[in-house]
Order: sequence, then structure tokens, then C-alpha cells
Amino acid sequence: SQKIEQNSEALNIQEGKTATLTCNYTNYSPAYLQWYRQDPGRGPVFLLLIRENEKEKRKERLKVTFDTTLKQSLFHITASQPADSATYLCALLGRGSTLGRLYFGRGTQLTVWP
Amino acid sequence: DTGVSQDPRHKITKRGQNVTFRCDPISEHNRLYWYRQTLGQGPEFLTYFQNEAQLEKSRLLSDRFSAERPKGSFSTLEIQRTEQGDSAMYLCASSFKREQNEQFFGPGTRLTVL
Repeated sequence: SQKIEQNSEALNIQEGKTATLTCNYTNYSPAYLQWYRQDPGRGPVFLLLIRENEKEKRKERLKVTFDTTLKQSLFHITASQPADSATYLCALLGRGSTLGRLYFGRGTQLTVWP
Repeated sequence: DTGVSQDPRHKITKRGQNVTFRCDPISEHNRLYWYRQTLGQGPEFLTYFQNEAQLEKSRLLSDRFSAERPKGSFSTLEIQRTEQGDSAMYLCASSFKREQNEQFFGPGTRLTVL
């Protein structure tokens, strides 16, 4: 199985700044690493995925990096807005007999204040 | 609405009672997943189906839990003899069968066991 750690439980930043969230894992490097957003009382929403042979992926104001040597992914939100306030979850795909499942971190709660 | 739907959204039951939840996935998706999420934690994998076949089960899924997907469309998750520790959000997700396996989540069923 995987143990996943996300940097801090809560991150507070000012509107317009870049938010950087960290995801570290301890076991094997997954073929894919995914990031989800979750609002209170709702299910997670898929944002981005990155393959093990990719260093960086971008989508609009979002950027994900993946370093299999450090066993770490960084998730950046540039020009942050109050509407970006949510919990962000890192998820790793299983391997072998656990290929079908995602392992989730506990999430980082981001608050963007005006 | 063509997203994943779950019913009921909330369920309050007394300890020892049986409960059943339903999930309707996105119609084109052949994979369906169940997760459990408690406050402050990420979703924990319970089980998944590919079409009607249950391919993987977590050790979290005790003998009191059973899931079915009889015709490869909707799925049910039953918990027998509920315990207070079963109180959680039960999330359903669906996906296409493909390598990167990004998943689409429903709104969840919030279970409270008194």
C-alpha cells in the first residue's frame, strides 16, 4: 500500500499569490498521480493527472510537478482567487493487485483571502 | 444531469440496523468504485467493479459490508448490523477502463449511526 502525506492541513494565502501544495509518498512510484478538489459536503472533483515520466503538467492557472526521485508532487495555483478556497487531495494509482484503486492523502485545506 | 448520483444523500440509523445505499454511475463508464471518508481524512478505497464483476476489495470491507452491481449499471452498498464506527461519508465514483483512471465522484451519502 501507499502512505501519502500532504504538507499541512491548512494553507492561508492572499488573493493573487501563488499557492503551493505538497504531496509526498513513501512506497513505490505510481504510474499516475492525480489531484482533486473537494468542497465541503461534496465529492472530490478531478483536476489534473501527471504520468511518472512527465516532470510538469499545466492547465490554465494550475501546475503540477512530479519528482519520482524525491517521491514528491507539487501542486501550484497561480493568481489565486477566493473561489479557489477548498480542500485539495493528492491521489496515487495502485500497482499490481491494487491497480484499480486510488490512494488518497488527507488533503490540504486552502483558504484564499481577499 | 449526467454525473454520478447517489441516494440517499443523508441517512440516520440506529446501531444494529441494516442500511443500503445506491449509486448510479455515468452511463458510459464501465468501472464503479466505493470509498469511505471520515472527517479530516481523504477517501479510503472499499471496492470496485468492472461491469458487473467485483474485482477488488479492501480489508476495510468487513463481512458486514457487501456491494453489488448486478447488471453492470447501478450499484448498491449494504451495511449490516451498523456500528457507530460506520458513521462516515460513503462516496461512489465511476470511470472508463483506461490506464490513467481519473475518477468522477458522486455527492456522497452521509451516514450517521446513533
